Amino acid sequence: GENVEQHPSTLSVQEGDSAVIKCTYSDSASNYFPWYKQELGKRPQLIIDIRSNVGEKKDQRIAVTLNKTAKHFSLHITETQPEDSAVYFCAASSPFSSNTGKLIFGQGTTLQVKP
Amino acid sequence: EADIYQTPRYLVIGTGKKITLECSQTMGHDKMYWYQQDPGMELHLIHYSYGVNSTEKGDLSSESTVSRIRTEHFPLTLESARPSHTSQYLCASRAPGETQYFGPGTRLLVL
Repeated sequence: GENVEQHPSTLSVQEGDSAVIKCTYSDSASNYFPWYKQELGKRPQLIIDIRSNVGEKKDQRIAVTLNKTAKHFSLHITETQPEDSAVYFCAASSPFSSNTGKLIFGQGTTLQVKP
Repeated sequence: EADIYQTPRYLVIGTGKKITLECSQTMGHDKMYWYQQDPGMELHLIHYSYGVNSTEKGDLSSESTVSRIRTEHFPLTLESARPSHTSQYLCASRAPGETQYFGPGTRLLVL
C-alpha cells in the first residue's frame, strides 16, 4: 500500500536559519500533499498544501516543493522563529488507490528553533 | 461556527470500564477518521468512515469500535479499557479533495 517516509525525525536550528523537511511517497497516483504543524498539547493544523499540478507553493516564510518524477516533496521554513518549534507531519493522498480518501502520514519531524 | 468537537478532553478511568469518546463535526463532511497518537509521535489511523453506516478499520489494530449513524457524529467505544489504551485519540473529518481538520483530542489514562 501507500507509504510516506519523512526525514529527519528531529531537527534543531538556530533562530533565523532555514529548516527543510523531506518526504517521499510510494504511490505515483498521489495528487494531494498537505503539511501539518502540531504544537505541544495541540491538534495538528494545516499550514500549507500542494497539488500535483504545481511544483512549488509559498506562503510567507513557508514553502513546499514537489518533484513528481522522484516522488518526493519538501517543506521549507525560512527565517525560523522560536514559535516554529513543533512537530511537523507530511501526508499524501491518492484518488485512485485503495487508500481513497485517506491521508497517509509521515512519521513526523520534531523541529526545535533555538533562540 | 464550523468545527470538529471532541468530548471528553481528558479522561482517567479504571481497567475494565467501558468508555465512549465522542466526536462531532458541523461541516457536513462525509469522511471521518480516528487516530491514536502518543505525545509528539506518529499518527496511527484506527478507524474511518466514508459516510452514514460506513465504517472501516484502519492501519493500526485496535480493540475499539465505531459507529456512524449520523453524518455529524462518529463515536469511538472501548468495551473494556486497559492500561495499554492510554494515549491521545484524535478525531478528524474531511470533504472530498479538501483539507482534513482535526479535533482537539481526548487524552485517555487507564489505571
